[in-house]
Amino acid sequence: AQSVSQHNHHVILSEAASLELGCNYSYGGTVNLFWYVQYPGQHLQLLLKYFSGDPLVKGIKGFEAEFIKSKFSFNLRKPSVQWSDTAEYFCAVIPPKTNAGKSTFGDGTTLTVKP
Amino acid sequence: DVKVTQSSRYLVKRTGEKVFLECVQDMDHENMFWYRQDPGLGLRLIYFSYDVKMKEKGDIPEGYSVSREKKERFSLILESASTNQTSMYLCASSSPGLAGALGEQYFGPGTRLTVT
Repeated sequence: AQSVSQHNHHVILSEAASLELGCNYSYGGTVNLFWYVQYPGQHLQLLLKYFSGDPLVKGIKGFEAEFIKSKFSFNLRKPSVQWSDTAEYFCAVIPPKTNAGKSTFGDGTTLTVKP
Repeated sequence: DVKVTQSSRYLVKRTGEKVFLECVQDMDHENMFWYRQDPGLGLRLIYFSYDVKMKEKGDIPEGYSVSREKKERFSLILESASTNQTSMYLCASSSPGLAGALGEQYFGPGTRLTVT
């Protein structure tokens, strides 16, 4: 079945370490790509998105993601994490010819940043 | 700012009860979604709606139904609650973006439902 895969279920880092969270999808054609974040006790919110154009996308709070079409990947990166980045991160894909913007979400990655 | 509200943050129901979860969005979005969020399973789509009175099944519709009588309101109904429906339920809305690019989703705070 076509899907979205997030490789790491739980990542633990120290402050100032660099972060890369993997996301791969299995849909062909043009896709829309998103990363959402859920901070403890808060709503899920958009971190960044890619529809077209420059494959390196910058989001809020210093996050960025790179779309590599040949690898079907949309990995999330941050050069130096902070304790406040502790959260759950979800990759999401809107496949081609999808009704109503229906997204498929990955299983999520829990990031814990140690102070 | 888009605001998506859900009727309850926490709900405790007994097995066999009929349960209504309400969701309201204030940005005139065409699309609305209901998900359940379980640890290690991410977000799983239950139902979605792309217009008033229009709905489609998501990935896990069994045991659920929905209603969308007004554009801003999307209700999730558990006809006869069971313990395996204990979960966090998230509502979201979205609008088609520019040039066919589909928009991101805006989420409500979630309803944590416990069925005993």
